[in-house]
Amino acid sequence: DTAVSQTPKYLVTQMGNDKSIKCEQNLGHDTMYWYKQDSKKFLKIMFSYNNKELIINETVPNRFSPKSPDKAHLNLHINSLELGDSAVYFCASSQDPTGMNSPLHFGNGTRLTVT
Amino acid sequence: AQTVTQSQPEMSVQEAETVTLSCTYDTSENNYYLFWYKQPPSRQMILVIRQEAYKQQNATENRFSVNFQKAAKSFSLKISDSQLGDTAMYFCAFDSWGKLQFGAGTQVVVTP
Repeated sequence: DTAVSQTPKYLVTQMGNDKSIKCEQNLGHDTMYWYKQDSKKFLKIMFSYNNKELIINETVPNRFSPKSPDKAHLNLHINSLELGDSAVYFCASSQDPTGMNSPLHFGNGTRLTVT
Repeated sequence: AQTVTQSQPEMSVQEAETVTLSCTYDTSENNYYLFWYKQPPSRQMILVIRQEAYKQQNATENRFSVNFQKAAKSFSLKISDSQLGDTAMYFCAFDSWGKLQFGAGTQVVVTP
């Protein structure tokens, strides 16, 4: 009964490949997010979606494209992977799109390694 | 733009002792939320405690409590009666309108 689940847990791939990370939440939340944690453990927001609509889009390369087929799913597709994309990617969800009254629930992260 | 600063990269504490982690932030907003998240070696991000900026009373959650000083823009976390399971990276975070911004983290190591 995992609340926010993301797959795969680990992803190792070569430069130039295209890969996807899937995320699903069963909390009934309206808002979902992608965060990136770099090698120094620094966490930074990438995107957020509310009810399938993009509401936050930080300065992220166009090679990253989020897709939300419904409000329970937010997938992250990455084209032409580069070495610098190696990181842990966290999916999260919250009930309140403003984040003011609803803490984020995080998935367990996907460790992406680009060789 | 908001920034969150955690000035202690690592803190070590003995079991049953108390440790305080510092966090300062910078914002021009008046209404916002502050959080402490914990990330153990399992990599999972776990909410420890949260504070609403318009509430003067400091939040408490079992052995975890905060000292929120709004004027000073300070939000420290106190862990009392530390346990081995508290060993983790602790992140202070600021949320205004859905964009959660994190500090660089403080690694807490609890020793027997």
